[in-house]
Amino acid sequence: NAGVTQTPKFRVLKTGQSMTLLCAQDMNHEYMYWYRQDPGMGLRLIHYSVGEGTTAKGEVPDGYNVSRLKKQNFLLGLESAAPSQTSVYFCASSPNQGGKTNQPQHFGDGTRLSIL
Amino acid sequence: GDSVTQMEGPVTLSEEACLTINCTYTATGYPSLFWYVQYPGEGLQLLLKATKADDKGSNKGFEATYRKETTSFHLEKGSVQVSDSAVYFCALSPYSSASKIIFGSGTRLSIRP
Repeated sequence: NAGVTQTPKFRVLKTGQSMTLLCAQDMNHEYMYWYRQDPGMGLRLIHYSVGEGTTAKGEVPDGYNVSRLKKQNFLLGLESAAPSQTSVYFCASSPNQGGKTNQPQHFGDGTRLSIL
Repeated sequence: GDSVTQMEGPVTLSEEACLTINCTYTATGYPSLFWYVQYPGEGLQLLLKATKADDKGSNKGFEATYRKETTSFHLEKGSVQVSDSAVYFCALSPYSSASKIIFGSGTRLSIRP
């Protein structure tokens, strides 16, 4: 019963390096999300996807790109990492809302990313 | 725009004390309201939810009532345990955008034995 799985769990990068965070869900959910969590700021939405092949910008999209080539996977890319992107990144998924607002999101355990 | 404001922490209580974590929101229409909990080293887990005015969500001894008139969704528990130590997030799903959830900044709760 894996739910939402994020890889890697920890990573240290140097400024300017690139990397991709992987999120996989086995619940057949339509919607997937990427958040960053910073002290005192809660969770902020980076990008999200409402279905395979679709992505949309969230609250803080700059410096990140995403892809949803398969329904079960949602990738978050950092093209040129900056110290300001040091954060804990969470992926989440939820079923098709069907116009309703009562569907909760299911979260992975997070990726702790440090940019030196 | 839509937003969630919750009391700042940290909150430190003794075991068996009563807990209230305040949460107020700003939103148009009728959002759904949630409380999520984050234990150390883990992702967020849904604790409880309420989808319409006067609904009461409850789980694991925690309760919260959707108050439309005061735009509030305060989290309460009558007797806390050490295992309740975690960060608690109030959140709403806007009526106009069913695909998104807006989170408060979180309240860290520590329970002393």
